[in-house]
Amino acid sequence: GENVEQHPSTLSVQEGDSAVIKCTYSDSASNYFPWYKQELGKGPQLIIDIRSNVGEKKDQRIAVTLNKTAKHFSLHITETQPEDSAVYFCAAGDTGNQFYFGTGTSLTVIP
Amino acid sequence: NAGVTQTPKFQVLKTGQSMTLQCAQDMNHEYMSWYRQDPGMGLRLIHYSVGAGITDQGEVPNGYNVSRSTTEDFPLRLLSAAPSQTSVYFCASTLGQGATEAFFGQGTRLTVV
Repeated sequence: GENVEQHPSTLSVQEGDSAVIKCTYSDSASNYFPWYKQELGKGPQLIIDIRSNVGEKKDQRIAVTLNKTAKHFSLHITETQPEDSAVYFCAAGDTGNQFYFGTGTSLTVIP
Repeated sequence: NAGVTQTPKFQVLKTGQSMTLQCAQDMNHEYMSWYRQDPGMGLRLIHYSVGAGITDQGEVPNGYNVSRSTTEDFPLRLLSAAPSQTSVYFCASTLGQGATEAFFGQGTRLTVV
């Protein structure tokens, strides 16, 4: 089955700086790569996703890049704000059904 | 719309007890899934369903049963709880084939002593 690795496990940045979280996957059949944000005591919530036929996608301060050849994808958050502090999960799989999640990155934005 | 609702939010069980974690969605989603979240291990898929009457196993199905008699409900049953099942459980739903976003419930924190 799919194996997703995520780094780093913890990340601290100064407010206004950028944050980058990286993931690798093993199954070349995976074609959908979402990123979820989980705030304390809540369920994960989708923040951005990318399909395998696209190399990069942006949504305001958030961007995701995908390198299919190397089987890795990354989340980029620019101009970080304290409300960006949360746990972020990457995932890989097919649409709608089975997702394989990374182990999570705890992001702290220091005011 | 309430989205995905899980009950209870917290539960303490003794080893060997049984219980059912409830999950309901009001978005008419076809797909529903159960995950467990453990420190340092992310979310792991337990069981999933692609529609009423259809269920299948995920990565870590042992010790858990599911059924899907209606589109709205997808309960998770622990037949004989073990300390290794101490975890936070999340239910999720997705519109259906070809859809992307999974909507998660608030989670159930289960402790087995």
